[in-house]
Amino acid sequence: KAGVTQTPRYLIKTRGQQVTLSCSPISGHRSVSWYQQTPGQGLQFLFEYFSETQRNKGNFPGRFSGRQFSNSRSEMNVSTLELGDSALYLCASSRAGVVTNSPLHFGNGTRLTVT
Amino acid sequence: GENVEQHPSTLSVQEGDSAVIKCTYSDSASNYFPWYKQELGKGPQLIIDIRSNVGEKKDQRIAVTLNKTAKHFSLHITETQPEDSAVYFCAAQNNNDMRFGAGTRLTVKP
Repeated sequence: KAGVTQTPRYLIKTRGQQVTLSCSPISGHRSVSWYQQTPGQGLQFLFEYFSETQRNKGNFPGRFSGRQFSNSRSEMNVSTLELGDSALYLCASSRAGVVTNSPLHFGNGTRLTVT
Repeated sequence: GENVEQHPSTLSVQEGDSAVIKCTYSDSASNYFPWYKQELGKGPQLIIDIRSNVGEKKDQRIAVTLNKTAKHFSLHITETQPEDSAVYFCAAQNNNDMRFGAGTRLTVKP
């Protein structure tokens, strides 16, 4: 069974630009959640999508948004990039999601560098 | 909101010894406590989890204990091996919110 796939693995962007990251969940998983990982703040929950609807949201500004498609694939968008957005962005899929305490399966992340 | 503290931040043990990592949480509504292992260049991998109605769970060399009254839970790795070297994260979840500990870098010396 294929794992969670995130693309691209690496991205370099300039301040003020916007970026879109992609996540393909494990087949049969309907929940996709996104996380930001930095040395200073650690792992932080961004938001969760289930059946194309955002179900939970962490404490991040509105510049961070996402969506989920009918095939459960998800994208995360960050607009007006700031230097502080440089991080490893991880997505995780699960059968029923954070709300039901289903185990999470993480991808290997997208490393975003903002210059 | 939930706050999860994890200790120690780094841990070095000799191969074959045991390793213990401890976490405390603040939200009494937290009911699910997973542990993740993250190797360099990879995403976190779930290694064991425990729910609030259970006090202990074991899977081969790995065990987790939960003390709901004291709001702390611990990861125990016995007979450590070099391939156990990684960063370990604890997490506490309450159906709407998941918070992670800051991580413990475990080094197992051969």
